[in-house]
Amino acid sequence: AQKVTQAQTEISVVEKEDVTLDCVYETRDTTYYLFWYKQPPSGELVFLIRRNSFDEQNEISGRYSWNFQKSTSSFNFTITASQVVDSAVYFCALSEGPNAGGTSYGKLTFGQGTILTVHP
Amino acid sequence: GAVVSQHPSWVICKSGTSVKIECRSLDFQATTMFWYRQFPKQSLMLMATSNEGSKATYEQGVEKDKFLINHASLTLSTLTVTSAHPEDSSFYICSARDRGQGYEQYFGPGTRLTVT
Repeated sequence: AQKVTQAQTEISVVEKEDVTLDCVYETRDTTYYLFWYKQPPSGELVFLIRRNSFDEQNEISGRYSWNFQKSTSSFNFTITASQVVDSAVYFCALSEGPNAGGTSYGKLTFGQGTILTVHP
Repeated sequence: GAVVSQHPSWVICKSGTSVKIECRSLDFQATTMFWYRQFPKQSLMLMATSNEGSKATYEQGVEKDKFLINHASLTLSTLTVTSAHPEDSSFYICSARDRGQGYEQYFGPGTRLTVT
């Protein structure tokens, strides 16, 4: 069974601080995908990144960066110089890869979410 | 980019009535759509996988007779909450998998259901 753990329930920072959101996952699949989504108060999920299990390169996109380490089954997300607009709930998620048997591909297992509040 | 819509965006209904929620892929074909439920301050939980032209696959613990799913076309899946009760009040989100784009998945904006 797949599992995603986001141990940080809530994080509060002051604007311009850097913040890292942790994500640890469990899966028996050799091919899988990891995701991060942002959910602002409106409720709509905003896709941030997808990473497949064979690509351990870290990624940077503007103020966002992601650190994928298979050795520790972690996929952490860092926001540099946080802004008030970054305040939201952030979800880490996991899905099987396309060769995992077909029927489960695309099904997302979400972590519990981390509520990030950035104060001015 | 690919867009998924949901209708209605919010609905209030009385206990015992049925409510239908639509999920549409607007500019791509989706052979598979997923329905998720999110209770306040909680995570998203997958309810069922909807496949075009076949029966939906429900996750353990989800009552298929209560949550009827119909995926009649490549762009539309519907979720009907039958005989709704206050405990069914939740945020329902669908996602659609684009078979033409390497199976990318796109989320709808969600439907907030309140049962009184």
